[in-house]
Amino acid sequence: GAGVSQSPSNKVTEKGKDVELRCDPISGHTALYWYRQSLGQGLEFLIYFQGNSAPDKSGLPSDRFSAERTGGSVSTLTIQRTQQEDSAVYLCASSTPGNPFAYGYTFGSGTRLTVV
Amino acid sequence: AQSVTQLDSQVPVFEEAPVELRCNYSSSVSVYLFWYVQYPNQGLQLLLKYLSGSTLVKGINGFEAEFNKSQTSFHLRKPSVHISDTAEYFCAVKDTGGFKTIFGAGTRLFVKA
Repeated sequence: GAGVSQSPSNKVTEKGKDVELRCDPISGHTALYWYRQSLGQGLEFLIYFQGNSAPDKSGLPSDRFSAERTGGSVSTLTIQRTQQEDSAVYLCASSTPGNPFAYGYTFGSGTRLTVV
Repeated sequence: AQSVTQLDSQVPVFEEAPVELRCNYSSSVSVYLFWYVQYPNQGLQLLLKYLSGSTLVKGINGFEAEFNKSQTSFHLRKPSVHISDTAEYFCAVKDTGGFKTIFGAGTRLFVKA
């Protein structure tokens, strides 16, 4: 697609429920990133995919968080047993092939998750 | 490991005045540096980047930034701001051999008429 697409744009869920957040990167972008933006804070790195592999999962806050990527394209971030501290905007970004680390990221508009 | 410090959380400025948003980073290896902008209710957009070469980097919308290796700084400047520049600005750093970009906490720029 023309840009990075994230869905849903907003999600309100009850504490304890599971949620799935979806990211559809720009076609051909091999690198995909998930970040979390909490109110008044910067972007917190969660996970990085190169193709379907995730070389670094160290940013995931707890084992309630998991992510996968299939076909080198769409990625899903899953949060199990959501807690109120999970409330944040979850941002997905992708970057170009070749030297993806030098070209900066294209971000999606994010999913605003509210846990009540 | 890298870290980024944006020294001002909020910067109010009058329209047509100059502005500087400060960013300092910490890294033991060579880095790439970035500034991103987030307009209200929109996603982050890349404003400019420093990869190598000239230390003065020009970006979109009349912004520029200067890489100062000795001071480990990458301050963002614009000589004359517009109301439409009101947004949050994020400084970011990535080591040249890594894949993770570290972002600062952001600086909210308010441009007043």
